[in-house]
Amino acid sequence: QSALTQPRSVSGSPGQSVTISCTGTSSDVGGSEYVSWYRQDPGKAPKLMIYELTKRPSGVPDRFSGSKSGNTASLTISGLQAEDEADYYCCSHAGTYTWVFGGGTKVTVL
Amino acid sequence: EVQLLESGGGLVQPGGSLRLSCAVSGFTFSTYAISWVRQAPGKGLEWVSAISGSGDNTKFADSVNGRFTISRDYSRNTVHLQMSSLRVEDTAVYYCVRHPDYWGQGTLVTVSS
Repeated sequence: QSALTQPRSVSGSPGQSVTISCTGTSSDVGGSEYVSWYRQDPGKAPKLMIYELTKRPSGVPDRFSGSKSGNTASLTISGLQAEDEADYYCCSHAGTYTWVFGGGTKVTVL
Repeated sequence: EVQLLESGGGLVQPGGSLRLSCAVSGFTFSTYAISWVRQAPGKGLEWVSAISGSGDNTKFADSVNGRFTISRDYSRNTVHLQMSSLRVEDTAVYYCVRHPDYWGQGTLVTVSS
């Protein structure tokens, strides 16, 4: 049950695109369609941004998109905005009733 | 409206026990698995445990296996996390989660002498 690997931080200027990677193994990310991404603001519960690799919940801007290649999932934020600054976590199904999270990535808008 | 409401957090000494509860509403309780996810101060999210909708399948992270148990009370639509032999490193905000989309507000557990 090792945590998924995310970069500790990514940054970009307003209007740019940033991509956060989430690397696991064939037992989790590589073998699952159930990868989700969360945004977390200080002192708040995480908020779902992407589920089932590529799906956006109602209300999440289409600037947010998800993808996967092999054992690595990615979250891309296009047209970066100041309000996108937050911590982002990936999460993958890792077996029956088992999940694993990434270590989290701080997104900074320059 | 789906809601999950945690309770039971507090201060406990190392080696002690605590029971967390997660009261759910807005969906058919027996249909969904429920997880507990924790976040130590200044740290990332860590999946802790999950229980199937029927209650007959439970899983635990290696870090808590053998010390924590999880159960469901179908009469109260509540999931319990019984934590024993608590360690300082169990200090965290504990969230209950209906994957992937519904989270409670969290309850703080502090293990300290």
